[in-house]
Amino acid sequence: NAGVTQTPKFQVLKTGQSMTLQCAQDMNHNSMYWYRQDPGMGLRLIYYSASEGTTDKGEVPNGYNVSRLNKREFSLRLESAAPSQTSVYFCASMAGLEETQYFGPGTRLLVL
Amino acid sequence: SQKIEQNSEALNIQEGKTATLTCNYTNYSPAYLQWYRQDPGRGPVFLLLIRENEKEKRKERLKVTFDTTLKQSLFHITASQPADSATYLCALDVRSGYALNFGKGTSLLVTP
Repeated sequence: NAGVTQTPKFQVLKTGQSMTLQCAQDMNHNSMYWYRQDPGMGLRLIYYSASEGTTDKGEVPNGYNVSRLNKREFSLRLESAAPSQTSVYFCASMAGLEETQYFGPGTRLLVL
Repeated sequence: SQKIEQNSEALNIQEGKTATLTCNYTNYSPAYLQWYRQDPGRGPVFLLLIRENEKEKRKERLKVTFDTTLKQSLFHITASQPADSATYLCALDVRSGYALNFGKGTSLLVTP
């Protein structure tokens, strides 16, 4: 099992450009998550999907959209990137309530 | 507002000693609390989960306590090794059920 995979590993964007971060899990988990991690700020939840067909906002959703494409895949889209979105983005999945989260390796995004 | 506080200063200890990390929280009534380990450039990895009705949980050299009166969890690594050097994150469930809020983490450095 690959666990949680993320693509790309690293991306440089110019202000105003758009891109989609991809995430997939092969553990048949119901819930999936997108976090960003910035120095001194810790992990902050952007959006999550408790189950296929549902999505909910987290702590910092502004400037992002998500799509739960199917049970395996959960994508994060930046429509018009801003320098404030420079960060490391982690995707995670969880089997169900009171379970643990499994994290992907992260995508490092630099917005110039 | 809800807050999770972990020591922002790095903890430096000598190999073989016990490392104790603290997680304090306010304005939460978590059903459970989790601890994760994060190495540089990697995603967090789950270590232990403790529920509100459990006082203590152990796994090999790791021990977690959970005091819902003090609103505090302590994470202990006994007989610490240089390989234990990492950042340790605590996470609390959000009562909606599916999301976790993470602390900013404490960096642990174990020197030979």
